[in-house]
Amino acid sequence: QVQLQESGPGLVKPSETLSLTCAVSDYSIGSAYYWGWIRQPPGKGLEWIGSIYHSGSTYYNPSLKSRVTISIDTSKNQFSLNLSSVTAADTAVYYCARDYDILTVRFDYWGQGTLVTVSS
Amino acid sequence: QSALTQPASVSGSPGQSITISCTGTSSDVGGYNYVSWYQQHPGKAPKLMFYDVSNRPSGVSNRFSASKSGTTASLTISGLQAEDEADYFCTSYTSSSTLRVFGTGTKVTVL
Repeated sequence: QVQLQESGPGLVKPSETLSLTCAVSDYSIGSAYYWGWIRQPPGKGLEWIGSIYHSGSTYYNPSLKSRVTISIDTSKNQFSLNLSSVTAADTAVYYCARDYDILTVRFDYWGQGTLVTVSS
Repeated sequence: QSALTQPASVSGSPGQSITISCTGTSSDVGGYNYVSWYQQHPGKAPKLMFYDVSNRPSGVSNRFSASKSGTTASLTISGLQAEDEADYFCTSYTSSSTLRVFGTGTKVTVL
């Protein structure tokens, strides 16, 4: 059973960079699949942020692309999200998930999610 | 890229069947068999219920079924149970640069 766990600051100041890490256990992320980030503002729906292939290729949501960087560290079996120039609109629960394939939209394993609040 | 359209809420009594619709366009739901459904209980991460329109992952109850016709996908819950009370989201691949589009979400209430 693949397990994912998000970690990072729960509070980020406006204009700063949000940084989160997703640690994966019981599966070697360098073996296969995409690994993605999804967010959910309080009381609202889901938004795909972007995904990274195990080889390092990335796909980003165009609405966030100018501010997003997703990276992968296979030696630590983790991948990370950086979102720059944050505003209150970036306040959300951030989830990491295994993204089975870039076409099929099949997020089959999820982390528990971490709430990030953007506030001064 | 607009979100896929779902009813805000659907309700039913225990034992009944309900259906949640997910309406898109020919650029997403209607153009590809890449529709997925997720169940989300309050405070929990979403759970994959179906992928590629009607493929059910192991562990998902067969009381749940999914299908697609034209630009509308559907999720049906038969024999509704209290534990089915949750939010449900559809999602689809899209030919737009967005790649993925999520539905607006449907709150299922068991009366």
